[in-house]
Amino acid sequence: GQQVQQSPASLVLQEGENAELQCNFSSTATRLQWFYQRPGGSLVSLLSNPSGTKHTGRLTSTTVTKERRGSLHISSSQITDSGTYLCAMERNTGYQNFYFGKGTSLTVIP
Amino acid sequence: GALVYQYPRRTICKSGTSMRMECQAVGFQATSVAWYRQSPQKTFELIALSTVNSAIKYEQNFTQEKFPISHPNLSFSSMTVLNAYLEDRGLYLCGARQNSGNTLYFGEGSRLIVV
Repeated sequence: GQQVQQSPASLVLQEGENAELQCNFSSTATRLQWFYQRPGGSLVSLLSNPSGTKHTGRLTSTTVTKERRGSLHISSSQITDSGTYLCAMERNTGYQNFYFGKGTSLTVIP
Repeated sequence: GALVYQYPRRTICKSGTSMRMECQAVGFQATSVAWYRQSPQKTFELIALSTVNSAIKYEQNFTQEKFPISHPNLSFSSMTVLNAYLEDRGLYLCGARQNSGNTLYFGEGSRLIVV
């Protein structure tokens, strides 16, 4: 079954509002990595952390590994933040596999 | 900084033909390379993980016979989609990193269109 579940599937915000994206995973993970997928499909790595909280710019990633969940907080959203955000879970099975969620589609309107 | 180049960016191939894509790591040693596919309306599926000097591990539903991978050194990997059909359409990404626990860096992707 789906190992990584993201919610919400889509989100519409007004410019300036904050966004909270959730990621839940069904098995033991060693880290979560958040990506932004450009319209052409390529991925931009945003934040990666095994546990705890990590910041970069307006982004904050929080991972609670033992509760199998993580979140990405985007503060003061901008129109250019619109796009698809993917959460990927790494499992250390000896092969360090990454598994992706289906993504959250974020639309920021003026 | 660390970069991953992937090419070709886009290929249109006839049904039943094959397509080879390449992945080049710059600025770091790509000890492991993972290949993913994003089919239309779906998320990324891991095809296989290749680690230098180890056997390539394929995920369920993906085989070496269909997706042969080469990882000859710490900067280069290639994957071929053999006998491509409509269900093989999608965006293929390679992700590379130096060591376990390090950030996975992705290429721009190779989009396969089958006609």
